[in-house]
Amino acid sequence: SAVISQKPSRDICQRGTSLTIQCQVDSQVTMMFWYRQQPGQSLTLIATANQGSEATYESGFVIDKFPISRPNLTFSTLTVSNMSPEDSSIYLCSVDQTSLKTQYFGPGTRLLVL
Amino acid sequence: GQNIDQPTEMTATEGAIVQINCTYQTSGFNGLFWYQQHAGEAPTFLSYNVLDGLEEKGRFSSFLSRSKGYSYLLLKELQMKDSASYLCARMSGGYNKLIFGAGTRLAVHP
Repeated sequence: SAVISQKPSRDICQRGTSLTIQCQVDSQVTMMFWYRQQPGQSLTLIATANQGSEATYESGFVIDKFPISRPNLTFSTLTVSNMSPEDSSIYLCSVDQTSLKTQYFGPGTRLLVL
Repeated sequence: GQNIDQPTEMTATEGAIVQINCTYQTSGFNGLFWYQQHAGEAPTFLSYNVLDGLEEKGRFSSFLSRSKGYSYLLLKELQMKDSASYLCARMSGGYNKLIFGAGTRLAVHP
C-alpha cells in the first residue's frame, strides 16, 4: 500500500493569512484528492489533483480560495487562502490505487484559525 | 451527503455481530468503499465492492447490491477497539472520486 505523509500535521493560524499543506506519496500515483473534514462531520471532497493539468474542483470550492499544485506524480499541495475561523478543519489528501482496489488517506492536517 | 444514507449511531455488545447499512444513489456508480475512522485519526480502508455479493475479510465483511443501491458492513466478534465511525463512500465519475456518507458512530460496550 502507498505511504502518504502530510506537512504540517497541525497548525494554528490567524485569520486573513494563508497556509500551504503538502502531501507526499512514496510511489507514483495518477490521482490525488484533497478532502476537508469539519468538526463532527464526514469528509467532503474539495478537488481532484491531476499531474500536468489544473485541478478539478467540486461544487462550493474555488481555485482562488483553495489553489492546488501537482508538479509530479508523487507530490501535491493545497493552499487555504485568506483564512477565516470557518476554515478550521482537518484537511486530508488521498491517492487512488485502482489496481489495488482502494484509496488511501494521509494522516491529515489539523488546522485551527483564530 | 449526496444521497448516501447510513444510520447516525449504533450500539452493540462486545462479542456480538453488528450490521451497518448504507444506501446510495446508483447513477454513475463505480464502486462502494467502507472506511473506519477512530476519533482524531485519518480514515482507514476496510473494503471495496464493485460487484454484487459478499466480500469477507477476517472479522469484517461487506455486501453490495448494485440494483438496489445498497451495501452493508458486517462486523463479527466485536471488540472494544471497534468503537469508531464507519464511513460508506461511493466512487463515481471518471476520476474515481469518493463521495462520503455522514458516517455511523458505533459504540461497543462490555
